[in-house]
Amino acid sequence: DQQVKQNSPSLSVQEGRISILNCDYTNSMFDYFLWYKKYPAEGPTFLISISSIKDKNEDGRFTVFLNKSAKHLSLHIVPSQPGDSAVYFCANQGAQKLVFGQGTRLTINP
Amino acid sequence: EPEVTQTPSHQVTQMGQEVILRCVPISNHLYFYWYRQILGQKVEFLVSFYNNEISEKSEIFDDQFSVERPDGSNFTLKIRSTKLEDSAMYFCASRDIGAPLHFGNGTRLTVT
Repeated sequence: DQQVKQNSPSLSVQEGRISILNCDYTNSMFDYFLWYKKYPAEGPTFLISISSIKDKNEDGRFTVFLNKSAKHLSLHIVPSQPGDSAVYFCANQGAQKLVFGQGTRLTINP
Repeated sequence: EPEVTQTPSHQVTQMGQEVILRCVPISNHLYFYWYRQILGQKVEFLVSFYNNEISEKSEIFDDQFSVERPDGSNFTLKIRSTKLEDSAMYFCASRDIGAPLHFGNGTRLTVT
C-alpha cells in the first residue's frame, strides 16, 4: 500500500530565508509526486509536482527534489514570504487516488 | 479560473440522520473524488469515481457511504446514518486526464 510520511509536523523559518520541507515514501508503484498547500478553511491547492524522469522541478520560488534511491523528496521555498505560512502536504499519485502525507505546518516569521 | 464548489460550507446533523454533501466539479473534468480530514489529522482518501462508477474506495467508505453523479454537473456524497466519528471536513476534488486534483473548500460536517 502506498505510504507517504512527513515527519516534521511544524517548521518555523524567518522571512527571506529558505524553507525546506521533507517527505519520505514507501511502496510507490507510481513515481509521481505532488505538493499541495492548504490555508485554514480552504481546500488543498496544487503547488508543484515531479515525476520519476526528473530529479528536480522548479517553478519560481518553489523547487522540488526527488531522490528515488532514498525514496525521499523535498520542497524548497526561497525566499520565504509571510504568505507562504500554511500547511504543506506531500502526495503520491496512484492509479486511482492521491495519497497524502500528514502535512507540515510552515510558519514564516517577519 | 474554474473552481470546484461545495455546498453547504457547514452541516450540523444528529447522529443517525442521513446527510448529502454536494459538489460541482470543474466542468470538463472526468475524474471525481471525495476526501475527508478529521481535525488535526491527515487528508484521507474516501472514493474515486470515473465514467459513472466507483474506481476505488477506501476502508472508510463502507456501506453507509454512497456517491452519485445525478446529472452532468453535480457529484454527491451521501452518508446514510451518521456517527459521531463522521465529523470531519469533507473535500470534493476533480481532475482532467493527466492533471493534478483540484479541491473544493470543503464542507464541515458536525455530528452531534
